[in-house]
This record gives sequence, C-alpha cells and structure tokens, in this order.
Amino acid sequence: EPEVTQTPSHQVTQMGQEVILRCVPISNHLYFYWYRQILGQKVEFLVSFYNNEISEKSEIFDDQFSVERPDGSNFTLKIRSTKLEDSAMYFCASSEQAGGNQPQHFGDGTRLSIL
Amino acid sequence: AQSVSQHNHHVILSEAASLELGCNYSYGGTVNLFWYVQYPGQHLQLLLKYFSGDPLVKGIKGFEAEFIKSKFSFNLRKPSVQWSDTAEYFCAVNAPGNNRLAFGKGNQVVVIP
Repeated sequence: EPEVTQTPSHQVTQMGQEVILRCVPISNHLYFYWYRQILGQKVEFLVSFYNNEISEKSEIFDDQFSVERPDGSNFTLKIRSTKLEDSAMYFCASSEQAGGNQPQHFGDGTRLSIL
Repeated sequence: AQSVSQHNHHVILSEAASLELGCNYSYGGTVNLFWYVQYPGQHLQLLLKYFSGDPLVKGIKGFEAEFIKSKFSFNLRKPSVQWSDTAEYFCAVNAPGNNRLAFGKGNQVVVIP
C-alpha cells in the first residue's frame, strides 16, 4: 500500500536555527497537509496545500513557517529561527482530493527537538 | 471552530474484554467523522469514517463506531479486543469543504494478554 514518507525521523536543532522537514506524499495525491503534536497535547492542523499554494492555514502557521513543493514529489515545511516551543512531532499527510470526506493519509512523523 | 473531546486518556483492559472509547465534538453543522489508530512506532492509520447514511459504521480489524447526532458523539467500539489492539486511538472531525482535521487528545489503550 502506498505510504507517505517523512525524513528525517528525528531532527535536533539549536534554537534560532532554520529547519526543513521533508515529506513525500502518495504519488497520485493532490492535497498535502502538515500537522504537529506537542508532547501531551492534541494533534493540531498547521496548513494545507494544493496546486502550489496554501489553501488553508491555522493561527499557528505564522510568518516563521513556510511550505513548498520544490519538485514533483517532495513537500517541505520550513521553520525559520526555531524556538523552544517548536519542539513537537510534525506529521505530513496527503489526500487524493480535497473535501472533508477525503481520508488523509499520514506519514510516520518527524520528531523535532529544539535545544 | 470545531473541537473534539476524548475522555479516559489511558485505558487498560484484558484480552477478550469489550472496548468503548467516547468521542464528542462541538460543531453545529454537518460534520465528517474519523477514527485513526496509531500502533507503537507507526503512523496514524484510518480505522473508519462517517460521512452520511447509516450511523453505525464498520471499520477495519473488527472496530465499529456509532454516530449519534443528538449527542454530538461518535463512539468507537470493539466487542473483544486482542493484544494487538494496543495503540493510541484518535477521533477527528471536519466540516464539508473544510480540509483541516480537528483531533481529540487520543486514548492510549493497553491490552494485557
């Protein structure tokens, strides 16, 4: 069964540094998402992306964050000038189409630790 | 905004016991409802979903969930659990036309052989 893959599985970064989290969505999927889960808290929506632009973003997704589809397979989340509170598990997801009735398929996540 | 509540964050039970996990949401309109499962070391996987029609939906691995609109609930059930059901279970909700999923905090379920 096709899967969403994320790299790296664990990223350790000094506070203030930039970090790029990478995702390869399922190949025929058109909609891409990033979520995060701070330890002990809920999984939270960050952003959705379609046709090379952001379609929706949450209040968490401020100017510190950006997303990009640099080529036909990768989908990246960049965090500029990381803060301690950015430490979390970051999940990428993709779906074949948009709409609430389209299941989102998740990757294994990247654990981001900010020191 | 949609919000989702899951209670009893930690559940411990023996094999063959029945499992029921509660999920309540707050959203006044039509919703799409999901249960995801995360086995240790694995990614979130879709267990089942409800969009419309029969409010009792059956998913993979013997799980089912019932949508009760009047109670804003979508509880997950399994009549007889196995050790392999040890996992974290997440309820999620979104509204039609809205791409974001709102998740509950999850239920950590441990099944003792």
